[in-house]
Amino acid sequence: DMKVTQMPRYLIKRMGENVLLECGQDMSHETMYWYRQDPGLGLQLIYISYDVDSNSEGDIPKGYRVSRKKREHFSLILDSAKTNQTSVYFCASSLRTKEVFFGKGTRLTVV
Amino acid sequence: AQKVTQTQTSISVMEKTTVTMDCVYETQDSSYFLFWYKQTASGEIVFLIRQDSYKKENATVGHYSLNFQKPKSSIGLIITATQIEDSAVYFCAMRVSSGSWQLIFGSGTQLTVMP
Repeated sequence: DMKVTQMPRYLIKRMGENVLLECGQDMSHETMYWYRQDPGLGLQLIYISYDVDSNSEGDIPKGYRVSRKKREHFSLILDSAKTNQTSVYFCASSLRTKEVFFGKGTRLTVV
Repeated sequence: AQKVTQTQTSISVMEKTTVTMDCVYETQDSSYFLFWYKQTASGEIVFLIRQDSYKKENATVGHYSLNFQKPKSSIGLIITATQIEDSAVYFCAMRVSSGSWQLIFGSGTQLTVMP
């Protein structure tokens, strides 16, 4: 069954703590993405990865970094989380010109 | 620049009827790919259907079909025999090479199907 798996699904962190969001896919897709979604703002692209160690900034990369050491795994890291990073984070993957498949999201609350 | 526009913020229809959701796109690329996604109440984002710009035939998957009007840069989503569970937010999206193949989303249309 083809899928994108995100862990954890829910997370509460204190301001200033580090946050690691993990994502895996079993479809051998070369391209992976991290988005955040806030009410009224739609999906905003944080980072895109074209393959292992080939990452590019999206529209809102500030405050985030990513790591992709294996094709099937893509991590989003928040160093010293801020309250304005409270959001729902979606990981996704695709082949280059094909449809993008999304994970179920991680709801992050920074208090 | 690339852009996807959905002007319908929300639509309400009666169950078992047909609904069309509009989407227009802007791109200078000669080849591009168009998609429709559904976001359910639980937040899950599901891929529904895709249209490749070089294909003249409208794509159809189950009770979803597309009305692709290339000269008008329009890609409407048609849902026939709507069901209550079709209630969701529907996003139109586009991928183009000049946009580094990033998925460019419209703002979404909230569909409510009433019994």
